[in-house]
Amino acid sequence: GAGVSQTPSNKVTEKGKYVELRCDPISGHTALYWYRQSLGQGPEFLIYFQGTGAADDSGLPNDRFFAVRPEGSVSTLKIQRTERGDSAVYLCASSLGGLIDTQYFGPGTRLTVL
Amino acid sequence: GESVGLHLPTLSVQEGDNSIINCAYSNSASDYFIWYKQESGKGPQFIIDIRSNMDKRQGQRVTVLLNKTVKHLSLQIAATQPGDSAVYFCAERDSSYKLIFGSGTRLLVRP
Repeated sequence: GAGVSQTPSNKVTEKGKYVELRCDPISGHTALYWYRQSLGQGPEFLIYFQGTGAADDSGLPNDRFFAVRPEGSVSTLKIQRTERGDSAVYLCASSLGGLIDTQYFGPGTRLTVL
Repeated sequence: GESVGLHLPTLSVQEGDNSIINCAYSNSASDYFIWYKQESGKGPQFIIDIRSNMDKRQGQRVTVLLNKTVKHLSLQIAATQPGDSAVYFCAERDSSYKLIFGSGTRLLVRP
């Protein structure tokens, strides 16, 4: 069956610009997660949705980062006034919603801020 | 903050040998641990998980061992194949839903 999909696969932008990254979770998965992975590092948690609401956004680095999931399915991660330090791979994962349900990851969006 | 780390950044093994990848964790409150495999350009792929009330769990060619006394986790891969070449991450979770990942170990399989 279809896994988690993310678009675009690559995004190059200039410092100061606004970007949106999209995640389509596995059908039926109520939980959705965003992580960020820098080169040579493990993924770092950003935000977690249960349904439409952000249950935990403690990983968002600052108020330039925001994410929505208006209908409880597709999610969009929004970054305002991008900085070169935002360059990373942004990973999305989804799960059935239970505490120990497996998180399945998408291929990620590689963001490069010039 | 609490973190998960790995002892060896790179592990090189001969094809057909067994591989052991180690991980140390520091959060004694963590009760669920997962191993992921990540190939270049792809997202992490679930391999196997273990709950803290277990000390061993086996899958297909993989075994995870958990030693809570010394806060140590290991992944054993039997009869390592070229397709096993990747970066392996351990991750932990406490009472929250977020995963905390280590920095990864690269496994290289020599033909």
